[in-house]
Amino acid sequence: GENVEQHPSTLSVQEGDSAVIKCTYSDSASNYFPWYKQELGKRPQLIIDIRSNVGEKKDQRIAVTLNKTAKHFSLHITETQPEDSAVYFCATWGGGFKTIFGAGTRLFVKA
Amino acid sequence: EAGVAQSPRYKIIEKRQSVAFWCNPISGHATLYWYQQILGQGPKLLIQFQNNGVVDDSQLPKDRFSAERLKGVDSTLKIQPAKLEDSAVYLCASSSLLGAGANVLTFGAGSRLTVL
Repeated sequence: GENVEQHPSTLSVQEGDSAVIKCTYSDSASNYFPWYKQELGKRPQLIIDIRSNVGEKKDQRIAVTLNKTAKHFSLHITETQPEDSAVYFCATWGGGFKTIFGAGTRLFVKA
Repeated sequence: EAGVAQSPRYKIIEKRQSVAFWCNPISGHATLYWYQQILGQGPKLLIQFQNNGVVDDSQLPKDRFSAERLKGVDSTLKIQPAKLEDSAVYLCASSSLLGAGANVLTFGAGSRLTVL
């Protein structure tokens, strides 16, 4: 079945540094790749997404890259701030018409 | 726009008891999802509805879990009888397919279930 692997499971960075989270997927029919941020005790919220016809997308300090050939995509956060501390989930959507989530990455930004 | 409403927010029950969760999606959203999120894990899809029809329920433990979406709007998820491993947050989400190749989910606040 469809599978999304996410790494690392935990990431600790110093404020101002960059953070990178990577995901790989198995379903070649996947064509939409969203990233969700979940703060402690809150609901997941979409922060950025990318479609399969685009290789990179940027929104202020966050960017996502997609390599469809290798079936992997990454989230990049630059100039990290304490409020970036949260759990980040990658996800895929496509052939099965359902959104499959990765296991999550807990990001700690140390002030 | 109003968000996805869920209730109750918290529920504590004994094992073998039953529980029901309710979800009201964003108005006009045809697709409704129930996810189970166990502490420290990513959301796991239990069931997906398109209007009032089931699109996918392959990971729903049908011997104890049931869900319905009458009239294609509100939905309820029921667990009977509950097991200890059902302790989790049950997230409801809805979406309206935005053109080709995008499916943005809006989540409710979740219902946290503790089974003792």
